[in-house]
Amino acid sequence: SYDLTQPLSVSVALGQTARITCRGNNLGSKNVHWYRQKPGQAPVLVIYRDYNRPSGIPEQFSGSNSGNTATLTISTAQAGDEANYYCQVWDTGTVVFGGGTKLTVL
Amino acid sequence: QVQLQESGPGLVKPSQTLSLSCTVSGDSISSGAYYWSWIRQHPGKGLEWIGYIYYSGSTYQNSSLQSRVTVSVDRSQNQFSLKLSSVTAADTAIYYCASANCGGDCPINYWGQGTLVTVSS
Repeated sequence: SYDLTQPLSVSVALGQTARITCRGNNLGSKNVHWYRQKPGQAPVLVIYRDYNRPSGIPEQFSGSNSGNTATLTISTAQAGDEANYYCQVWDTGTVVFGGGTKLTVL
Repeated sequence: QVQLQESGPGLVKPSQTLSLSCTVSGDSISSGAYYWSWIRQHPGKGLEWIGYIYYSGSTYQNSSLQSRVTVSVDRSQNQFSLKLSSVTAADTAIYYCASANCGGDCPINYWGQGTLVTVSS
């Protein structure tokens, strides 16, 4: 089975840039999607196919994917960006999620 | 805009079968445009994909749960369902129904609000 590895937690100072990584074997050959989940809520798609933003997601969210690592970048982090973030890919017809990263804005 | 709503018992006894339904609104479950999925989240933990069904009836399950999982479609009710047999306390989780526009590449762009299922006697 395919594994995606994320750091358990990332901290960022208010107004600074946060980067959350997702690692997997030859991940750059797959399309990576990113979700934000706030406490008590369902996940929300924030980036799809590596770097695309769904409508309604602000430009502060961006993504990249190359080699074995995909990165979700959140610029000008605000308190409202505190959440758990999950990466996801499809592998041989199955859905695979990373373990999730808790983003803390200091 | 597709909307999804889970329904079913919030409490299931050990060894019994967990049964949940997801009502789809905003489009037909038979439209062929979606892969209808179930995803769960253990308390305080990450997301775990359970399985999906396509409108044609073809299904795919997480190999770790495959022997206990059945996903089906009820076109007359515009619903899809999850059955998980022989449950234990380890199956206590929030269960989400969700959908993607394709299999193999698409993001999961629609999610239900989730329903907590507790396995306990």
